[in-house]
Amino acid sequence: DQQVKQNSPSLSVQEGRISILNCDYTNSMFDYFLWYKKYPAEGPTFLISISSIKDKNEDGRFTVFLNKSAKHLSLHIVPSQPGDSAVYFCAAYLYAGKSTFGDGTTLTVKP
Amino acid sequence: DVKVTQSSRYLVKRTGEKVFLECVQDMDHENMFWYRQDPGLGLRLIYFSYDVKMKEKGDIPEGYSVSREKKERFSLILESASTNQTSMYLCASRSTGVSNQPQHFGDGTRLSIL
Repeated sequence: DQQVKQNSPSLSVQEGRISILNCDYTNSMFDYFLWYKKYPAEGPTFLISISSIKDKNEDGRFTVFLNKSAKHLSLHIVPSQPGDSAVYFCAAYLYAGKSTFGDGTTLTVKP
Repeated sequence: DVKVTQSSRYLVKRTGEKVFLECVQDMDHENMFWYRQDPGLGLRLIYFSYDVKMKEKGDIPEGYSVSREKKERFSLILESASTNQTSMYLCASRSTGVSNQPQHFGDGTRLSIL
């Protein structure tokens, strides 16, 4: 039973436009959510996070929105840049830092 | 900056061999993790360790064991390697000093079992 799902395996957007990556979860006990970014041949790197008591967190071009009633979160990248092309993983904390990850969404930003 | 170092970037082993994957972190982090990444399956947790000599099974522990004798080092052991263990293996560490700290990942070991 996959508790964190990213239903879109890939997303392609034009440079300068908005990228929206989505993530759904099933376990209401998750209390913290994170997004990681992964380039080929490198490990994932932390991008942005949000606590379950908030509905929005912003860091520069990156904003994460959390809708607890829908058990849905999304990552917005505005404006998108070619260097943002990577695999993006959504993750949720349950306890002691144990994370459950989604399958990832490959974002391609076209110049 | 946190540095998580995995001993090999690429490894080729034969079926039935005992395989050791090593991971070292330099930030005195309490938690350490081993994941495998397969196409379309995301990151799946194999084992994690709260602290030295403490370990807990993740979602897919079968065929694996771990060792954490020192705080900075977390080893993943494939007791008898099989072809279905061909994968990308990722190690991560995390501090518990402040709540909800992110995990820091190594660059991965691509393991092929022939």
